[in-house]
Amino acid sequence: AQSVTQLGSHVSVSEGALVLLRCNYSSSVPPYLFWYVQYPNQGLQLLLKYTTGATLVKGINGFEAEFKKSETSFHLTKPSAHMSDAAEYFCAVENSGGSNYKLTFGKGTLLTVNP
Amino acid sequence: DTAVSQTPKYLVTQMGNDKSIKCEQNLGHDTMYWYKQDSKKFLKIMFSYNNKELIINETVPNRFSPKSPDKAHLNLHINSLELGDSAVYFCASSQGAGSYEQYFGPGTRLTVT
Repeated sequence: AQSVTQLGSHVSVSEGALVLLRCNYSSSVPPYLFWYVQYPNQGLQLLLKYTTGATLVKGINGFEAEFKKSETSFHLTKPSAHMSDAAEYFCAVENSGGSNYKLTFGKGTLLTVNP
Repeated sequence: DTAVSQTPKYLVTQMGNDKSIKCEQNLGHDTMYWYKQDSKKFLKIMFSYNNKELIINETVPNRFSPKSPDKAHLNLHINSLELGDSAVYFCASSQGAGSYEQYFGPGTRLTVT
């Protein structure tokens, strides 16, 4: 079975500081990996995804993530936080191939950005 | 134009009642989903339909019954509502089943009293 662990349910950074949100996964087959963002009282929006190919993936709003197979990690980073980045961030895994197209989400990390 | 819409946005009802939540997508997608997000923000898939065919049916009480009249609509009917059903329910859609981006609706906050 696939699973996702997001280290840190709450991360607080200052505006302009580096954002690092951690995600580790377990999967029996090569995974597809996703980061979604949820702003208050809204649905989720895709930030970026990794399926195959280049392991460094760039997404919207200046975010990027690197797939590290040896570490089973897919950490999300942004060089300089902006106030508008304050939101809940979810890492998700989906097994490639087969008929199991289920997205399994982590428990989320709330990012707060201090002025 | 709203891509994935849900009605109602808020639903307050008493235990034992039956209620429905409707979802529509205008993206031309083949696959639609229902998710439940609990009070701790944990998001879990409930059902998925691909071309009106049920492809994912998680361990959900059979009081919950999805219905897909066509590819653009996926409704969720809940019988005999319980306190534990209180949550935010999200509908989503994607181009197909697989590694496609899922587009989420704004959610329906269900409160059972």
